[in-house]
Order: sequence, then C-alpha cells, then structure tokens
Amino acid sequence: SQQGEEDPQALSIQEGENATMNCSYKTSINNLQWYRQNSGRGLVHLILIRSNEREKHSGRLRVTLDTSKKSSSLLITASRAADTASYFCATGDAYYGNNRLAFGKGNQVVVIP
Amino acid sequence: EPEVTQTPSHQVTQMGQEVILRCVPISNHLYFYWYRQILGQKVEFLVSFYNNEISEKSEIFDDQFSVERPDGSNFTLKIRSTKLEDSAMYFCASSDLNIQYFGAGTRLSVL
Repeated sequence: SQQGEEDPQALSIQEGENATMNCSYKTSINNLQWYRQNSGRGLVHLILIRSNEREKHSGRLRVTLDTSKKSSSLLITASRAADTASYFCATGDAYYGNNRLAFGKGNQVVVIP
Repeated sequence: EPEVTQTPSHQVTQMGQEVILRCVPISNHLYFYWYRQILGQKVEFLVSFYNNEISEKSEIFDDQFSVERPDGSNFTLKIRSTKLEDSAMYFCASSDLNIQYFGAGTRLSVL
C-alpha cells in the first residue's frame, strides 16, 4: 500500500525564514496532498499535486513532486508564527482525491517570532 | 465557510462499552471517511463511505466497527466493544471529488 513518509525532523526557524520539508513514498501514486495540523486540532488541507504535475504554488506554499524519486517537498516562504504546526503528506492512488489517503508521520515546524 | 463538525470532542469510556462517534459532513459532499490517530503515530485510514455503503475499509476496520448515515446529515462510527488500544483521536472527513475536509476530531479514551 502507498505510504507517505516525511523526513523525521522537527524544524525550528525564525519568522521570515523559509521552511522546507520532504516526503517520500513507496508505491506509485496518482496524487499527493499536504495537510497542516495545529496542536490538538483537525487536519487542514493545504495543497494537492497530481502525478503528472511537477510543481504547484498556492500563496506562500510551493510543492514539488518527483515521481522518479518518489518524493515531494513542501516549501513555506516567509514563515509566520501562525505557521507553527505539524505538516503531513498523504498519498492517494486515484486521480481524484476521493479515496483513502495514506499519511506520513508529520513534521513539527516551530516558527519563532 | 462550511466545515465538518464532530461530537463529542472528548469521549471517555470503559473497556467493553459501546461508543458512537458522530460527524456532520459538509452538506453537498458525497464521500465520507473515518481516520484515526493514535497518540504519536500516523493518521490511519479506517473506512470510506459512498452512496450509503462502505466503498473501502482498512484492516483496522474489523467487525467491532460499523458506520452509518442514519439521516441526510449525520455520519456515525460505532465501536461495539471498546478495547484499550482503541484509544485515539478519530477524525471524520468528507469530500467532493478532490479534497478531503477533516473535522477537529473526537478524542476517545478507553479506560
């Protein structure tokens, strides 16, 4: 089964800096999504990238996908204290997102004001 | 902005008791899901539901679990006889075709 796996790192950065986190997976996918989770809260969808896409932008977020390496990265530019959260990648095996998602363990990001 | 709502936010139960976790998906969504997250572990898929039936379930979703959409708005997860290892955060999600929107979760504590 597919499985998103983030690099197991906790990231602590100063406000205004960029934050980059990575995710790798094991099997072929049709889409990869990034979610944010603030402490004790639900998962908030950030961005979806399909297997035929290489890069996608949404506001301060930039996601890349390398299907040959089975990896993705999430870049948050000009970080803010409000970006402090856990970030998860999740993979899906259907073109659309209406199928089971396989989540990674998550990256803790702390943005210091 | 429409959102998925889950109740209760925290449920405490004794081992062996039945619990029902409740969810109100976003009103025009057709696909519904339950996931769980054991403390410190990954978010794990349990089940998906479409057109009033289970469309997919994981190996975790055994006979102790059931889902139901009893009316046009609610989506429930029932655990018949809870075990200590069922203690987790349970997330409901709903989607149109593309993006799954998650509720804030119900923390289930089995004592």
